[in-house]
Amino acid sequence: DIQMTQSPSSLSASVGDRVTITCRASQTISNYLSWYQQRPGKAPRLLIYAASGLESGVPSRFSGSGSGTDFTLTISSLQPEDFATYYCQQSYSLWTFGQGTKVEIK
Amino acid sequence: QVQLVESGGGVVQPGGSLRLSCAASGFTFNNYHMHWVRQAPGKGLEWVAFIRFDGTNEYYADSVKGRFTISRDNSRNTLFLQMNSLRPEDTAVYYCAKEQGSHNWFDPWGQGTLVTVST
Repeated sequence: DIQMTQSPSSLSASVGDRVTITCRASQTISNYLSWYQQRPGKAPRLLIYAASGLESGVPSRFSGSGSGTDFTLTISSLQPEDFATYYCQQSYSLWTFGQGTKVEIK
Repeated sequence: QVQLVESGGGVVQPGGSLRLSCAASGFTFNNYHMHWVRQAPGKGLEWVAFIRFDGTNEYYADSVKGRFTISRDNSRNTLFLQMNSLRPEDTAVYYCAKEQGSHNWFDPWGQGTLVTVST
């Protein structure tokens, strides 16, 4: 089974900060990596697909990169609505999620 | 617009059974693979089950294999999850999700339905 490890598990940041979340796969997954945002009490929402593809309607301050085993999600300028939990997911071999990264207000 | 609406959640005793439904609309349901994903209270996301667009293949997480069965009725645009031998650790919000694209991502997700396994 492929394991996905996100870091950090949580972070505190201010509006306007640049935020980077990393996700590491236990084996190579090419670019079969997606990122989701989940606000409290809501369903997850797709942000990034195929490691770097920006989902339609998602603000351009979100970006994804990486291939193989190491991936990053970057928010270039954090906005109030971005305080949420973020999950990576591999779809190379079945499907596995990272444990999540909670982005909190500093 | 594409919409997924789950139903069927509730409180059930350990060892009991429950059947979840996910009603799909706004897209050609029988063209898409579908999934169930769950989230225990205060915890992360866990993939549960997959079913091929035509219902001819299924995959399950080890944690539910042999107890849960995913199925679909393409004539009614509905996805199901039959959950048997339920355990307290199955307590979670259960989401259905549509698989999309060349790299099998999930979009969109339903709003979820809560299953509580407790005496």
